[in-house]
Amino acid sequence: EDQVTQSPEALRLQEGESSSLNCSYTVSGLRGLFWYRQDPGKGPEFLFTLYSAGEEKEKERLKATLTKKESFLHITAPKPEDSATYLCAAPRFGSGNTGKLIFGQGTTLQVKP
Amino acid sequence: NAGVTQTPKFQVLKTGQSMTLQCAQDMNHNSMYWYRQDPGMGLRLIYYSASEGTTDKGEVPNGYNVSRLNKREFSLRLESAAPSQTSVYFCASVRGREQYFGPGTRLTVT
Repeated sequence: EDQVTQSPEALRLQEGESSSLNCSYTVSGLRGLFWYRQDPGKGPEFLFTLYSAGEEKEKERLKATLTKKESFLHITAPKPEDSATYLCAAPRFGSGNTGKLIFGQGTTLQVKP
Repeated sequence: NAGVTQTPKFQVLKTGQSMTLQCAQDMNHNSMYWYRQDPGMGLRLIYYSASEGTTDKGEVPNGYNVSRLNKREFSLRLESAAPSQTSVYFCASVRGREQYFGPGTRLTVT
């Protein structure tokens, strides 16, 4: 069964303390891995798409990487404004060119000043 | 350029009442999706519309209906609300596999 699992569920960091969030997936024939940021009371905001093992994408203090079995979202020297829930998602097997995604349950990050 | 808008932001219904959640996008995307988000369950697809005039069921379609009114608008209807439909509902406008979400509707059914 296609599955996307994120860990940890919650992460508390001090400002400047770097760390990584994990997204593991069991999806046949992976055709993309997506990262979103969700602030409380708002909809998810698209961050990155990764398509092949070894690929990396960066945006400010965030860097997403992809292996054959998992993806990491590395946060370097985080600031309080990076506090949010981070979601990863992968296309369902057999979903063709539709955007039907399986979402993980998210990692809620809190960065304290 | 508002992106994706949803109305209402909040709604409380009694069991058995009906309502329609509205969604509109101004990004000229063909595809639009409806999700629900529940604690511990993540985002789950209710219905989607790959293009104007077409709709298909997602993972959790029971108790819902949708209408793709035109390219901009995609509505979700609860015909007879149940407490199990208490959730936060998100509409998304889709370009390829990139999804752009609205701000959500928080629905409580008592």
